[in-house]
Amino acid sequence: QVQLQESGPRLVKPSETLSLTCTVSGDSINDYYWSWIRQPAGKGLEWIGRIYTSGNTNYNPSLKSRVTISVDTSKNQFSLKLNSVTAADTAVYYCARLARNDWHFDYWGQGTLVTVSS
Amino acid sequence: DIQMTQSPSSLSASVGDRVTITCRSSQSITTFLNWYQHKPGKAPNLLIYAASNLQSGVPSRFGGSGSGTDFTLTISSLQPEDFATYYCQQSYTTPYTFGQGTKLEIK
Repeated sequence: QVQLQESGPRLVKPSETLSLTCTVSGDSINDYYWSWIRQPAGKGLEWIGRIYTSGNTNYNPSLKSRVTISVDTSKNQFSLKLNSVTAADTAVYYCARLARNDWHFDYWGQGTLVTVSS
Repeated sequence: DIQMTQSPSSLSASVGDRVTITCRSSQSITTFLNWYQHKPGKAPNLLIYAASNLQSGVPSRFGGSGSGTDFTLTISSLQPEDFATYYCQQSYTTPYTFGQGTKLEIK
């Protein structure tokens, strides 16, 4: 059974960088696309971006100037960095796997609440 | 970006009811449409992929249909564990986008 677990600081100061890591267990990270998705309180789901295990990335244009997603296949992990954060970036952040066919999110992490506050 | 619009935004129903949620995309996405169930504090759970394919382990009372721009999720007989928020999501092109959600509540 594939499992994903987000980790990283839960509190980030305004203008600083939000950093999260997703650790994948139960299967190799190789040969899949992996994504970050977030949900601000009381709002819907927003796709942040995806990375293939070759390192190829695609980002949501709304966040592209501030986002970097990277992968470390040796550790079966991928990571998110979001810089110059504001209170609007406060959200539950999920990592998820994209299935090879049809690009649906078939496995998700439990999510982690990151709060941007001084 | 492709806009996804769900209706209704909220719905009250009783155990045993048949429920239908609709999702409309701002342009054709063929059958690249997925449905998720989301409960507070939990990860979203994939129900239906590619418009009509039931994800392994999901009860058969869940069904999906549609193509092009109009899609539906049907729950044939509501069970207590089905009260949650449901999201559609297009995977036709990036940026992937979700509907605003339909909150299914107990009547």
